[in-house]
Amino acid sequence: AQSVTQLDSHVSVSEGTPVLLRCNYSSSYSPSLFWYVQHPNKGLQLLLKYTSAATLVKGINGFEAEFKKSETSFHLTKPSAHMSDAAEYFCVVSATNTGNQFYFGTGTSLTVIP
Amino acid sequence: GAGVSQSPSNKVTEKGKDVELRCDPISGHTALYWYRQSLGQGLEFLIYFQGNSAPDKSGLPSDRFSAERTGGSVSTLTIQRTQQEDSAVYLCASSLAGSGWETQYFGPGTRLLVL
Repeated sequence: AQSVTQLDSHVSVSEGTPVLLRCNYSSSYSPSLFWYVQHPNKGLQLLLKYTSAATLVKGINGFEAEFKKSETSFHLTKPSAHMSDAAEYFCVVSATNTGNQFYFGTGTSLTVIP
Repeated sequence: GAGVSQSPSNKVTEKGKDVELRCDPISGHTALYWYRQSLGQGLEFLIYFQGNSAPDKSGLPSDRFSAERTGGSVSTLTIQRTQQEDSAVYLCASSLAGSGWETQYFGPGTRLLVL
């Protein structure tokens, strides 16, 4: 079975400081892992994804995530937060042998303090 | 090109009434998903369409919920005899072929409020 745990429901950082959003997953199969971002009143947008290639994945807007199988983690990081990064972030896992089951975490709300 | 569109963007209805929510996926995408997002919750899978295959309805919470996809394109999610607990944002997403490693493209959602 697949599941995702986002360890923090809210994260607050100062502008220009690093961002760390934590995600742990459980999967019976080789997982694909995703991070999506949802800005207020907007649809979800893909930030980055891991699909069994390079374990360090770079995404849009300076975000990156590292797949660590031994820790079953896929934490999202950014070296320097920008005001526009304030949004809801969702970690998602799917089993690569099926196309119809994506498991979403409950989300992490990121606040950026000026 | 055009993204996924959903209509209406907001819907307020009275308890017991039926509602229909519409999703227009990206042209050429064979896979279509419906999710429900309740306040403070992650996305809850509802139903999945892939090409001409039978849809995966395993996420539908009750028999009041149904969905269809006509001509492999537009999809309608119908909720009959709405209840207050149905209030949520209903999101539609599409992907090219429905594989587990594909990016899903989401619409802006329909915000449903049942009074």
